[in-house]
Amino acid sequence: DTAVSQTPKYLVTQMGNDKSIKCEQNLGHDTMYWYKQDSKKFLKIMFSYNNKELIINETVPNRFSPKSPDKAHLNLHINSLELGDSAVYFCASSHERTGGLGEKLFFGSGTQLSVL
Amino acid sequence: QKEVEQNSGPLSVPEGAIASLNCTYSDRGSQSFFWYRQYSGKSPELIMFIYSNGDKEDGRFTAQLNKASQYVSLLIRDSQPSDSATYLCASGGGTSYGKLTFGQGTILTVHP
Repeated sequence: DTAVSQTPKYLVTQMGNDKSIKCEQNLGHDTMYWYKQDSKKFLKIMFSYNNKELIINETVPNRFSPKSPDKAHLNLHINSLELGDSAVYFCASSHERTGGLGEKLFFGSGTQLSVL
Repeated sequence: QKEVEQNSGPLSVPEGAIASLNCTYSDRGSQSFFWYRQYSGKSPELIMFIYSNGDKEDGRFTAQLNKASQYVSLLIRDSQPSDSATYLCASGGGTSYGKLTFGQGTILTVHP
């Protein structure tokens, strides 16, 4: 059974379109995240939810809107896609918020988004 | 200055050698440090974490932490071609509480 699963794996779309990426974890974790990895492999947090509550919202355009219907699911909706949005988007989860206790992140397989 | 900085690669070592990957961090409040391995086209997977000064060993991997120098390293002994991947250093805690801050990654190639 996949611990953190996200769909779709690949997403190719035109500029200006709206798209969504879905994520589910079956680890019983309380915290879920969206990370973005650019073409240089730099991995940066976008959002974090703890028990359906938004706790981290980094400097991300408001075209990106996360939604957590329950603590096992975290979706990402992107409006008016731009060329610069092309990247790999990773969903992740952890038992509690990552921090001093060394909480470990478990990543989904990633969604390769290509905006043409 | 980047919050987490890794030695620039790519790093190439022969099979059987020791690969040494280095990382420095700027937030003195950081409390936990992680090494993730990422194969091409795959997601990062955790291989080591450390939060006390000193060494931590797990099989062929040793993580080293020096909080005074704000330095973390990963040694891979008896390197194998299957170790060829991008290694990501990350810190947590301090101003990064609730999230991990990643370095830019070091590409390691182990050649037969």
